[in-house]
Amino acid sequence: EPEVTQTPSHQVTQMGQEVILRCVPISNHLYFYWYRQILGQKVEFLVSFYNNEISEKSEIFDDQFSVERPDGSNFTLKIRSTKLEDSAMYFCASSEVQGYGYTFGSGTRLTVV
Amino acid sequence: GDSVTQMEGPVTLSEEACLTINCTYTATGYPSLFWYVQYPGEGLQLLLKATKADDKGSNKGFEATYRKETTSFHLEKGSVQVSDSAVYFCAVVAGGGNKLTFGTGTQLKVEL
Repeated sequence: EPEVTQTPSHQVTQMGQEVILRCVPISNHLYFYWYRQILGQKVEFLVSFYNNEISEKSEIFDDQFSVERPDGSNFTLKIRSTKLEDSAMYFCASSEVQGYGYTFGSGTRLTVV
Repeated sequence: GDSVTQMEGPVTLSEEACLTINCTYTATGYPSLFWYVQYPGEGLQLLLKATKADDKGSNKGFEATYRKETTSFHLEKGSVQVSDSAVYFCAVVAGGGNKLTFGTGTQLKVEL
């Protein structure tokens, strides 16, 4: 069964550093998403991406965050200057149809120290 | 905006007991409803889904029925196993919408 692949599985970074989280969505999917789960809390929507542009973003997704699809396969989330409160599990997802049939990756656990 | 309310956990059951995890939602239009499961140390896996009123989603012995009149999508299983121990998330996508809105998750612990 097709999978969404995320790398790395775990990243530790110093506060103030930039991090890039990488995702390879399912190849025929057109819609891409990032979600975040702070330890022990609910899964929160960050951003959706379609046709090479952001289609929707939450209030969490401020200027320190950006997303990119640099080539035909990768989808990245960049956090420019990490804060302690950015420590969370970040999930990438993709879907073939808008709002339906999501497949999630296994997540990247980001720890900011 | 859209929202999901699900019962607080943790829920602790003995093996072979019946499970119900309550979930209610608010969403615009004709939403689609989902249950996701997160096993320890793993990502989110779709457990089951329903896209219109009175649809019943089912998978691995779990069931949930889309009840529009009560805006509910309760998760049920007749006989739980230790391997069902996980966190269960109810989620909704509003009709025509683009994003999943999750509940807070309910941790299930099943003991022998």
